[in-house]
Amino acid sequence: DARVTQTPRHKVTEMGQEVTMRCQPILGHNTVFWYRQTMMQGLELLAYFRNRAPLDDSGMPKDRFSAEMPDATLATLKIQPSEPRDSAVYFCASGTGVEDTQYFGPGTRLTVL
Amino acid sequence: AQKITQTQPGMFVQEKEAVTLDCTYDTSDQSYGLFWYKQPSSGEMIFLIYQGSYDEQNATEGRYSLNFQKARKSANLVISASQLGDSAMYFCAMSDNTDKLIFGTGTRLQVFP
Repeated sequence: DARVTQTPRHKVTEMGQEVTMRCQPILGHNTVFWYRQTMMQGLELLAYFRNRAPLDDSGMPKDRFSAEMPDATLATLKIQPSEPRDSAVYFCASGTGVEDTQYFGPGTRLTVL
Repeated sequence: AQKITQTQPGMFVQEKEAVTLDCTYDTSDQSYGLFWYKQPSSGEMIFLIYQGSYDEQNATEGRYSLNFQKARKSANLVISASQLGDSAMYFCAMSDNTDKLIFGTGTRLQVFP
């Protein structure tokens, strides 16, 4: 049963600390997405990759967020330094191309105190 | 710009009855995809159903069907024979000629016995 996996599932940290979230896309999927979900903003696309190349990160605060794909089986989203307003659920999703279904991971619930 | 509108913040339905969740969209693209996702209280995003803009038949997946009315730009989700486990948030989403998904604000469905 192929699934997107994300670690950690929960993270509580203090303001100013670095946070790293990891995602393993479904094997064979060549597009990877990072979304953030909050009550106020709903689901927002932060960044996405195709064949490990970043295609769009316009949804990300550039000064503190960074997204990378070191290899085809790992995507990372880093926040440095973290702020309380970054508290949200961060989802990773993967798919196989334009208009194709995106399959979501279970999310990382981040709380920044 | 693409936009998804879900006008029903909440819906109630009795078990075994059918329910329709509304979704309208706005796009100037000719080719696009429409998706519905379910988010139960546990938080994961579960893909339910997909409709391509050129598909002439309405999509169906088990108890889920998508009532696609292209001229009206609507893509309503119909759940037949509701079950208690269908209680969740439901998100309508659209992809255009890129990989990106744009989500609506969601509808919270509650199924009662």
